[in-house]
Amino acid sequence: TQLLEQSPQFLSIQEGENLTVYCNSSSVFSSLQWYRQEPGEGPVLLVTVVTGGEVKKLKRLTFQFGDARKDSSLHITAAQPGDTGLYLCAGIGPGTYKYIFGTGTRLKVLA
Amino acid sequence: ETGVTQTPRHLVMGMTNKKSLKCEQHLGHNAMYWYKQSAKKPLELMFVYSLEERVENNSVPSRFSPECPNSSHLFLHLHTLQPEDSALYLCASSQDRMSQYFGPGTRLTVT
Repeated sequence: TQLLEQSPQFLSIQEGENLTVYCNSSSVFSSLQWYRQEPGEGPVLLVTVVTGGEVKKLKRLTFQFGDARKDSSLHITAAQPGDTGLYLCAGIGPGTYKYIFGTGTRLKVLA
Repeated sequence: ETGVTQTPRHLVMGMTNKKSLKCEQHLGHNAMYWYKQSAKKPLELMFVYSLEERVENNSVPSRFSPECPNSSHLFLHLHTLQPEDSALYLCASSQDRMSQYFGPGTRLTVT
């Protein structure tokens, strides 16, 4: 059974701090996505990474896909209260439509 | 964001009722998904419809019945549900096996 473990599960930080969220698996993924979800809403896609070692930046967010395509990280620089939410990673293996979701990281940024 | 819409947004039903959830995607995608999101659990894939296959999670009870009349519409028919079925039900779509885009979800409460 494929599993995606995210760490940390919970994170409460002050505005302006930096943070990194990790997504790890023993399985190889064809691609991996990161989402942010607000309470009572659906996840919103932030980025998709496909190539091992790939780094993508979205304003203050930096995403990296591991060289072996088994893990990924999300780094936020100078966090703001608007970054508060549940961050989810999701991976998909070759030849399947079955996305595997991580356990989630609940981030709270205090003003 | 109106790429994927879901109705109703909230639903309260008794255990003997029959109801249906509706999902519509306006993105021209060729795959659609139903997920269940419960508190403190990862998103659970229930069903996938694509041009090539229909995928079912074998652990989904038969009281949940999907229907996909075309590539833009997806339904989840519900009957004789249990209180533990209360959750946020999310619909998503994707083009082939690339990034998924989610709807806002239906918050279901079974009394």
